[in-house]
Amino acid sequence: EVQLVESGGGLVKPGGSLRLSCAASGFTFSSYSMNWVRQAPGKGLEWVSSISSSSSYIYYADSLKGRFTISRDNAKNSLYLQMNSLRAEDTAVYYCVRDNWVDYWGQGTLVTVSS
Amino acid sequence: DIQMTQSPSAMSASVGDRVTITCRASQDISNYLAWFQQKPGKVPKRLIYASSSLQSGVPSRFSGSGSGTEFTLTISSLQPEDFATYYCLQHNSYPRTFGQGTKVEIK
Repeated sequence: EVQLVESGGGLVKPGGSLRLSCAASGFTFSSYSMNWVRQAPGKGLEWVSSISSSSSYIYYADSLKGRFTISRDNAKNSLYLQMNSLRAEDTAVYYCVRDNWVDYWGQGTLVTVSS
Repeated sequence: DIQMTQSPSAMSASVGDRVTITCRASQDISNYLAWFQQKPGKVPKRLIYASSSLQSGVPSRFSGSGSGTEFTLTISSLQPEDFATYYCLQHNSYPRTFGQGTKVEIK
């Protein structure tokens, strides 16, 4: 069974940093591209970033302006999102999502940016 | 960037109604279009992939169609458990883009 479990969310002050993790199991992690998608409270879904299976290709939403960094460790079956210079508008549930075909989603981790 | 225009943004419908939701892409995305259902407080669930392929386990009253720039999600006979918000997603190119969502409410 495919499982994606996010962690690392929490309350952080504006300008702070946070690192999200996603632990994958039930499939060959190193064979799949991975994504982060977020959803602000009461809002729609927003794609954040994607990384190819070998980390050769990385993409970000324009709105992030270099503040976020996606990475992965295939030996640990883990996906990461380093978030710096956080703003109130980054408050959202962050989902780890498998593959270009966006088939499996984790349960999400809530990031709240507030003073 | 490819813009996805989803309509309507909200609708009221009755159990048994036929419901149609549309997504228009600002440029050709072939069939790289997926549809998701999300209920309050829940994780989005993929219903349709590759524009018209039904996700395993999803009831056959859901169907998708379209190619290029115009896509449709149809629920042939709305059931009580189908009241939710629906999103389309293009994954033809980066940045990936979602439609704004369609909230289907009880009439």
